[in-house]
Amino acid sequence: GQQLNQSPQSMFIQEGEDVSMNCTSSSIFNTWLWYKQDPGEGPVLLIALYKAGELTSNGRLTAQFGITRKDSFLNISASIPSDVGIYFCAGRSLPGAGSYQLTFGKGTKLSVIP
Amino acid sequence: SQTIHQWPATLVQPVGSPLSLECTVEGTSNPNLYWYRQAAGRGLQLLFYSVGIGQISSEVPQNLSASRPQDRQFILSSKKLLLSDSGFYLCAWSKGGGEAFFGQGTRLTVV
Repeated sequence: GQQLNQSPQSMFIQEGEDVSMNCTSSSIFNTWLWYKQDPGEGPVLLIALYKAGELTSNGRLTAQFGITRKDSFLNISASIPSDVGIYFCAGRSLPGAGSYQLTFGKGTKLSVIP
Repeated sequence: SQTIHQWPATLVQPVGSPLSLECTVEGTSNPNLYWYRQAAGRGLQLLFYSVGIGQISSEVPQNLSASRPQDRQFILSSKKLLLSDSGFYLCAWSKGGGEAFFGQGTRLTVV
């Protein structure tokens, strides 16, 4: 089956620092999604990417869809305490059987030290 | 706008008791619906998905089942809960190959 490797697993950073996390896939995806999950709540969609090479921003967040279609990264600039949470990448394969299923990374747990 | 409702938010059930978690979506038609389980706050495991009424696909053999009696209703059930069924259950919907949107989750503790 499809696998997503998300790294790092966890990060401890100082408030104000920039953050970078990434996901790599063993297969080609046609959609990359990035989510943030706060404790006890469902994941919230941050950014959606649909084209290889696409670079999309949402406030202090920037994500890119890798040219090879097998990777994506998420950057957070000037981190603040409310950025704390678990960030998940998710990918959807090319149209065909199972293309409506999302494959999720195992998450990056972000801690911000004030 | 579309919304997804999932209930209850928390549930404590004894081993061997039945389970029924409900999820409904508003503001869209014929969505793809999903049940995920998340253990220990990390990793989402897809349990079931549905592309239409009465159409259920299971990803992982287990003690759970799912049903879709109406277009925008997705139910997760069990006849007899096991301790290992404890976890955080998430319902989600998507429109075709688009983004997936999650409910608030149900924290299930089997005692």
